[in-house]
Amino acid sequence: DVKVTQSSRYLVKRTGEKVFLECVQDMDHENMFWYRQDPGLGLRLIYFSYDVKMKEKGDIPEGYSVSREKKERFSLILESASTNQTSMYLCASSPHGADTQYFGPGTRLTVL
Amino acid sequence: QQQVKQSPQSLIVQKGGIPIINCAYENTAFDYFPWYQQFPGKGPALLIAIRPDVSEKKEGRFTISFNKSAKQFSLHIMDSQPGDSATYFCAASRSGNEKLTFGTGTRLTIIP
Repeated sequence: DVKVTQSSRYLVKRTGEKVFLECVQDMDHENMFWYRQDPGLGLRLIYFSYDVKMKEKGDIPEGYSVSREKKERFSLILESASTNQTSMYLCASSPHGADTQYFGPGTRLTVL
Repeated sequence: QQQVKQSPQSLIVQKGGIPIINCAYENTAFDYFPWYQQFPGKGPALLIAIRPDVSEKKEGRFTISFNKSAKQFSLHIMDSQPGDSATYFCAASRSGNEKLTFGTGTRLTIIP
């Protein structure tokens, strides 16, 4: 079974803080994704990584950066958290060339 | 620019009824159309998917109907059960591009 884990289920941070969201997958997948999920807006892609140290901007990369130093781990970084980044963050992975993405349980981030 | 439009945003159906969720896409290069199911507190998981070479695909009680000329596809759930209550997302992608474009989601509630 594919397992995608996210470091925290709930996180509360203050405006201006630097925030790290961690994602780990155990299936040796090449592709990893970060989405944010907001009511009425669905899932929007923030960043995509297709290999170690490789990344590609998604639809809403502003205010975010990512790091992929190891194949199994993909980190989302909010350099200076703002209240409009309060959201559910979902990580996903997939093998190269595959259509199916496997999602983690999500991290609900609240920025006060 | 929303490339995949999903409706309705929410839907309440009595047990045994047939909920129908609709999606429309704009990009004619899309050639893979999955549906993901998300239960509260969980990440989305692939439910069923279709490619444009067929007009319908069934898996158990779940059916995708696909209309290529209208650029629309829909999910039907036969003999719906309270356990089907979840949020459903349609998505689309094109061959060689491993990113998915998601719809805005439909919150489905099946009442006993």
